[in-house]
Amino acid sequence: DAGVIQSPRHEVTEMGQEVTLRCKPISGHNSLFWYRQTMMRGLELLIYFNNNVPIDDSGMPEDRFSAKMPNASFSTLKIQPSEPRDSAVYFCASSRGLENTEAFFGQGTRLTVV
Amino acid sequence: AQSVTQLDSHVSVSEGTPVLLRCNYSSSYSPSLFWYVQHPNKGLQLLLKYTSAATLVKGINGFEAEFKKSETSFHLTKPSAHMSDAAEYFCVVTQNRDDKIIFGKGTRLHILP
Repeated sequence: DAGVIQSPRHEVTEMGQEVTLRCKPISGHNSLFWYRQTMMRGLELLIYFNNNVPIDDSGMPEDRFSAKMPNASFSTLKIQPSEPRDSAVYFCASSRGLENTEAFFGQGTRLTVV
Repeated sequence: AQSVTQLDSHVSVSEGTPVLLRCNYSSSYSPSLFWYVQHPNKGLQLLLKYTSAATLVKGINGFEAEFKKSETSFHLTKPSAHMSDAAEYFCVVTQNRDDKIIFGKGTRLHILP
């Protein structure tokens, strides 16, 4: 298995533009997580899905952020409009969703908003 | 509610000396505990996990951690540090009740030559 695949690896965009981050989880995994990593706050859980349904989105910073999981093999995290403070590395992870299972992480998307 | 606290944001040790990275957790239900490592510009990799079996857990690269329920701790140790251990380490807790995964703030480990 290729693991969790995120795209793009790097994104540079201008403030005010829409940004879409993509994630393909490992086949057969039922849970999917979006995290944001910054120097100031470390790793923050933004949202997680179980069986394609958002379970907890309390970590989504504000209405500019939205996430979807239209099917078991694809998820997006969208920021509209983007702001410089959104600059961070965004990680997607998936797990089997059973007790005691580890999460497998993608390589991350480094977002820079200028 | 569950939470995890990594007590040190930075730890520096000399090569060949022991490593101790501290982690305390709180959980309303039986927790599972993990340590992940992140090398510069890389994704996260699982080091080891505790899942209510043996309290002393051995992981990759010579790391181990001991689950101490009375102290609500899950500290990560290694007898002898290597330069390649320089990275950021995250302590993670999940509850067996749901799938939510909570990360600590991370501890950056520096290895001095």
